[in-house]
Amino acid sequence: GAGVSQSPSNKVTEKGKDVELRCDPISGHTALYWYRQRLGQGLEFLIYFQGNSAPDKSGLPSDRFSAERTGESVSTLTIQRTQQEDSAVYLCASSLGGGSRYGYTFGSGTRLTVV
Amino acid sequence: DQQVKQNSPSLSVQEGRISILNCDYTNSMFDYFLWYKKYPAEGPTFLISISSIKDKNEDGRFTVFLNKSAKHLSLHIVPSQPGDSAVYFCAAGEGTGNQFYFGTGTSLTVIP
Repeated sequence: GAGVSQSPSNKVTEKGKDVELRCDPISGHTALYWYRQRLGQGLEFLIYFQGNSAPDKSGLPSDRFSAERTGESVSTLTIQRTQQEDSAVYLCASSLGGGSRYGYTFGSGTRLTVV
Repeated sequence: DQQVKQNSPSLSVQEGRISILNCDYTNSMFDYFLWYKKYPAEGPTFLISISSIKDKNEDGRFTVFLNKSAKHLSLHIVPSQPGDSAVYFCAAGEGTGNQFYFGTGTSLTVIP
């Protein structure tokens, strides 16, 4: 597609439930990033995929968070046993290559609310 | 520890005047800097970038200035327009790194 697509756009879940967020990057973009933005905070790096290399998971806040990517296409971010502090906008971005030389194109985000 | 800081959470400017948004960073290894603009319910969109080999980059009404010795960059918008009202994020990264580090954003309101 023309842009980065994320689904769902909004998700309300009960504390303790698992959620799965989806990202479709721009075709041909080898790098994919997940960030989140909690209320009043900046964008917080979560995970980075580049081609077939091992992902950089250094930003994942706990082992309840995991992400997968199939080749250079769709990625899913899974949060298990959600907590209220997981409430945030989860943003996916893709870029032509890895490393900070390439700017990102962001999706519109998934707003997750844990009640 | 916040490596990129935007100390002004909000800014109001009269239409036609200059808007100046500031950003400070702590890591001297950062060599590439971006500004993003974000409207409500949308993802951030790329606005302008600058690499550390330059101290100024201009694109239409938008100019980014980089002061490496002060680890400071700023975005100038002139003349400001009501459609510029949005949250502006600055981001910094290393050429060999995997990620950009983002500030907390500055909400700009341009008053007609």
